[in-house]
Amino acid sequence: GQQLNQSPQSMFIQEGEDVSMNCTSSSIFNTWLWYKQDPGEGPVLLIALYKAGELTSNGRLTAQFGITRKDSFLNISASIPSDVGIYFCAGQSYNTDKLIFGTGTRLQVFP
Amino acid sequence: KAGVTQTPRYLIKTRGQQVTLSCSPISGHRSVSWYQQTPGQGLQFLFEYFSETQRNKGNFPGRFSGRQFSNSRSEMNVSTLELGDSALYLCASSLVGADGYTFGSGTRLTVV
Repeated sequence: GQQLNQSPQSMFIQEGEDVSMNCTSSSIFNTWLWYKQDPGEGPVLLIALYKAGELTSNGRLTAQFGITRKDSFLNISASIPSDVGIYFCAGQSYNTDKLIFGTGTRLQVFP
Repeated sequence: KAGVTQTPRYLIKTRGQQVTLSCSPISGHRSVSWYQQTPGQGLQFLFEYFSETQRNKGNFPGRFSGRQFSNSRSEMNVSTLELGDSALYLCASSLVGADGYTFGSGTRLTVV
């Protein structure tokens, strides 16, 4: 099935550090979404982006919709232990509600 | 308000059997989508239902099927189970649009 390329695959960082992850696609999307998944749970929406170039923040999280509409990135500032989890990007095309998910970035935060 | 409820949470089946998973969406949500999550393949789209009609379908074999009832509850069925069907099956509901998706906690299916 179709998937987005997400990097890095995993990150091990110290509490307080900033984190960046990105997502690229060969297709154009009209919506980019970022989710976080905790063990044993379903993904939870963090940020939604609707316009090329859009920069949106949600607390310590900042995400941007790439100008080409083929990429997006997520930054987490001043990481804390509860940021641990798997982060997924997802893209949606104009004519469907189907989401295409990235391969995920597993984040570990050490105190 | 209650979230998306998936039952059962865990399931163990034998190869060749069939299985039915259930999803109750958030009240008022009419769109229900199903995803398969495996360590190797990530989150793969199975199908989406809206008002009892399948609107989108992913690239899965015909052994995977679904339906939606008039109360928006949805079921998915997998027949003739294979070992590779072992996965976390996630259901998501939305009012309109994928950015409104709320996921359930999933059903973890193990095929032995």
